[in-house]
Parts: sequence; C-alpha cells; structure tokens
Amino acid sequence: EIVLTQSPGTLSLSPGERATLSCRASQSVSSNYLAWYQQKPGQAPRLLIYGASSRATGIPDSFSGSGSGTDFTLTISRLEPEDFAVYYCQQYGSSPYTFGQGTKLEIK
Amino acid sequence: QVQLQESGPGLVKPSETLSLTCSVSGGSITSYYWSWIRQPPGKGLEWIAYIYYSGSTSYNPSLKSRVTISVDTSKNQFSLKLTSVTAADTAVYYCARDYGSGSHDYWGQGTLVTVSS
Repeated sequence: EIVLTQSPGTLSLSPGERATLSCRASQSVSSNYLAWYQQKPGQAPRLLIYGASSRATGIPDSFSGSGSGTDFTLTISRLEPEDFAVYYCQQYGSSPYTFGQGTKLEIK
Repeated sequence: QVQLQESGPGLVKPSETLSLTCSVSGGSITSYYWSWIRQPPGKGLEWIAYIYYSGSTSYNPSLKSRVTISVDTSKNQFSLKLTSVTAADTAVYYCARDYGSGSHDYWGQGTLVTVSS
C-alpha cells in the first residue's frame, strides 16, 4: 500500500498569506491520481483538487495543486478566514486508496 | 444536486455486525462507483471499499475479511456490512461518490457508529 506523508503537521499563518502544503508518497502515484480535500470540524471532507492539479467544481482559483510521481503540493495563494481547516491528500492510483494524516491550517 | 445520506444504528455491540445504508438522491446510482470511508474520532480518513453500480467491488485488504459492500439500483442505495466489530471500529462512517477514477466529489454528512457494550 502507498503511504502518504503530509507536512507540516500544523501550519500557522495569517489571512492574506500564502499557504504551501506538501504530500509525499512512499512510491509513485499512478497517473498522478492524487486528490486534496478540505475538512472543517463536524463536516465531511470537500474535494478541492483531483488528478494532482485539476480543480473540482466550484473551487476558487486561489487553490492550486501541483506535482507528480511522489511529491505533490497544494497551494492556497491568499488565505481567507474560511480556509483555516484540516487538509488531506489521497492517492487513488492503486488499491487500497490511502489518505495522508492531514495538515491543520490554523490562524496565527 | 446529488445528495447522499447514511443511515443505520449508532451503537453496535462488540462482536456484532455493523450495517449501514447510503441513500442517493438527486441523481442515479448507475454509471458511478460508490465508496465507504471512515474516520475514527480525532483521527484521519480510511477508505473501506467501493462498488460499481453493476456490482463489481474492491476492498481495503486491512478490512476485507470482515466487509461486504452491496448495491440496490432499484432503491438507489448501497450498503456496508462490517462483521465482528471491536472498539477500534468506532468511527464516523461516510458514503461518497467516486469521481475521476477514484476521488470523491459528493459525500454524505457522516454517521457516528460507536462500538460498545
């Protein structure tokens, strides 16, 4: 199974700043089938990015995904108050699908 | 707008079977894959299994011996059964639609299942 390691575990930033979240896979993710999700307390995860770099429907262009192979990045260009949440990466290139342990983005 | 809703008991006794159903509205269950995903309190996400509307399935090897996923296209529902549960199976269970070969674009709100006597 592919293990995904997200860093940092917690990221403390201020509104208006740029956030860069990392996801590293233990082996290459097939077809760059890598997704990013946002989860707020008490809510289901929300799909942000699929295929490493494609934005899901309704996701603002302040969110962007990049990377290939084993190293992937989620960038939030300018943080809004509603962006502070936990972010998970997920690979779905090989079974079993696996998730990273999450990065908590908190207000500094 | 596609909506998913999980239903089932919120409390299951150890060694018994956890049974959940996901009802899909606002769209057909056909032509998509559908997954179950769980999240223990305060922890991360774990994919459990998926099913295609035709009935083909895939399971997480860590749970495969205890899990069955099924679909009822006439009711626009799919279901999860997890046998021989323990406290480690306590989690919020989500159903979700698979999109783009395996990401999940629509999710249910989640249902907390507690395993306790």
